[in-house]
Amino acid sequence: EPEVTQTPSHQVTQMGQEVILRCVPISNHLYFYWYRQILGQKVEFLVSFYNNEISEKSEIFDDQFSVERPDGSNFTLKIRSTKLEDSAMYFCASRQTEQPQHFGDGTRLSIL
Amino acid sequence: GENVEQHPSTLSVQEGDSAVIKCTYSDSASNYFPWYKQELGKRPQLIIDIRSNVGEKKDQRIAVTLNKTAKHFSLHITETQPEDSAVYFCAARPRSGSARQLTFGSGTQLTVLP
Repeated sequence: EPEVTQTPSHQVTQMGQEVILRCVPISNHLYFYWYRQILGQKVEFLVSFYNNEISEKSEIFDDQFSVERPDGSNFTLKIRSTKLEDSAMYFCASRQTEQPQHFGDGTRLSIL
Repeated sequence: GENVEQHPSTLSVQEGDSAVIKCTYSDSASNYFPWYKQELGKRPQLIIDIRSNVGEKKDQRIAVTLNKTAKHFSLHITETQPEDSAVYFCAARPRSGSARQLTFGSGTQLTVLP
């Protein structure tokens, strides 16, 4: 069964540094998402992407965040200047039209 | 926007007993309600979902019920097994909009005691 894949599985970064989280959605999916889960808390929506542009974003997704689909397979989340409170598990998800979202295994981001 | 409340936050049951987790949602425009199981350090995995045109759906030991009028939906797990132990999240998704992102509940830590 095809899966959403995310790299790296764990990223440790100094506060203030830029970080890029990578995702390869399932190949025939059209809608892409990033979610965040702070340790012990619920999964929170960050941003959705469709037709090569952002379709929705939450209050969390401020100017420090950006997303890109640089080629036909990758979907990236960039955090420009990381803060301690950005430490969380970041999940990528994708779906086909009218189908459930499939999640990747996540990237654990630790900001020191 | 949508707000999803989930109860209880923790639930312990004896193996073989049933477990029920309840969620309420605020946006009457939501029409899709999935349930995800998340084991420690792993991805949320879809276990069952229901659309607003259906009141109940069952898949082996798992069932979900939906009351649109009251805006609540529940997960029922029968004959629980130790491997059912995990965090369970409910979610709601709006009917319209291109993004149709999920709004999650706060999660229920289910522990099945052998």
